[in-house]
Amino acid sequence: GAGVSQSPSNKVTEKGKDVELRCDPISGHTALYWYRQSLGQGLEFLIYFQGNSAPDKSGLPSDRFSAERTGGSVSTLTIQRTQQEDSAVYLCASSLRRTGQGGKYEQYFGPGTRLTVT
Amino acid sequence: RKEVEQDPGPFNVPEGATVAFNCTYSNSASQSFFWYRQDCRKEPKLLMSVYSSGNEDGRFTAQLNRASQYISLLIRDSKLSDSATYLCVVSRVEYGNKLVFGAGTILRVKS
Repeated sequence: GAGVSQSPSNKVTEKGKDVELRCDPISGHTALYWYRQSLGQGLEFLIYFQGNSAPDKSGLPSDRFSAERTGGSVSTLTIQRTQQEDSAVYLCASSLRRTGQGGKYEQYFGPGTRLTVT
Repeated sequence: RKEVEQDPGPFNVPEGATVAFNCTYSNSASQSFFWYRQDCRKEPKLLMSVYSSGNEDGRFTAQLNRASQYISLLIRDSKLSDSATYLCVVSRVEYGNKLVFGAGTILRVKS
C-alpha cells in the first residue's frame, strides 16, 4: 500500500519567508508525528497528533513553528519568518495505534522535505 | 547526557563478518524499543522492534536488557547492502510514543 508522502521534497527559501510543509500519512493511521534532522544531528521530535486530541507541541523549538492536522489525515507544518538554523530535513511519520499488552507502535516515515534557508 | 547513547562508529567490516552494535538508554520508564536503519539522504526505515525475550529476523538479532537499560543489534554474515546508519530508538506510551533517537552508528561493509 501507499506509504507516508511528503511535499515538497526540497524547498529553498530566503531568510524571513514563511514555508509550509505537507504530510499525507498512511491511510487509517491515527497518529502523526513531525521530526527534524539537522545536518550532522540526530532526529528530534517536534509535534504529535493523535486522533482528535490536542496535539503535543512540546518539541517545537519556537513560536515560529506551528502545525495542524485537518480531518484527522493530512498535516501541514508551517515555519514563519524562517531562519538559517531552520535548515534541516523535516520528516513526518505515522502509526496505527494498537491496544493490548505489549502493543507496538511502529512509526513509518515519509521521505522528508529538505529545507534550505538562504 | 543524551537519553539514548550509541557508539557513532564507523564500524568498517568485511563482507561475511558478524558485527554488534550497542545502545544504552537513560529513562527506565521507556517501554518500546526499536532499531531503525537510515541510508544516506533517506528517511529512517524500521528494521525491527526489540522485545524483552530477544528476537531474530534472518541475519539480524536484537536483544533488550531492561535491568541494564541496554539494547543490542547483531548482524551476521554482513552484506555490502547492510552499509547504513543504524538508529537505536526508544519510546513511552504516556508520552504519545514519540520516538527518542540515538545519534546512530555508521556501518560500512567492504568487499
